[in-house]
Amino acid sequence: EVQLVESGGGLVQPGGSLRLSCAASGFTFSDYDMHWVRQTRGKGLEWVSGIRTTGDTYYAASVRGRFTVSREDATSTVFLQMSSLRGDDTAVFYCTRGPPAGIWFPFDVWGRGTMVTVSS
Amino acid sequence: DIQMTQSPSTLSASIGDRVTITCRASQTIHSWLAWYQQKPGKVPYLLIYKASRLESGVPSRFSGSGSGTEFTLTISGLQPDDFATYYCQQYNNYSWTFGQGTKVEMK
Repeated sequence: EVQLVESGGGLVQPGGSLRLSCAASGFTFSDYDMHWVRQTRGKGLEWVSGIRTTGDTYYAASVRGRFTVSREDATSTVFLQMSSLRGDDTAVFYCTRGPPAGIWFPFDVWGRGTMVTVSS
Repeated sequence: DIQMTQSPSTLSASIGDRVTITCRASQTIHSWLAWYQQKPGKVPYLLIYKASRLESGVPSRFSGSGSGTEFTLTISGLQPDDFATYYCQQYNNYSWTFGQGTKVEMK
């Protein structure tokens, strides 16, 4: 079964840092781009960051310079290091599977999400 | 950045209705558009990719059309399981943006 499981969410003070992890299983992780998408309570979806199989990384303007995405193919894990966190970063963060290398495709597998709350 | 605008924000409909949701891109995205369904407390579920291609397992009452900057999602014969929020997403040229969502509620 294809599965993504996020972890690492929690309560953090403004200005603090947090590292999210996403463990993948059921598919050849190294063959796929991976992304992070967040959703504030009762609101819409916002693409946050993506990392290609090549290691190339992409960020939304709202997080560029504060968040860093990385991947570890040996353990089928993608990470999101978040720093200088603000109140408007409070959201459920979803790990999603992008397309396999060389294919243009949207996000077909989603984790259940991990909640990040930024508050003093 | 490419902006995606969905309309309407909320849509009231009855079982059996034909429902249409529109998504507009701020610049051409060719056909690199997806539609997702999200129910309360659940994760988004991919319905359509490349504007009109149905993801495996998605009922045929869902269809998508459009190219360039104007796209539509149509549900032909609304079913009880279809009351949800629908999002469009562009995935053109290493850029990804979601629309703000359209909630389909019972009339």
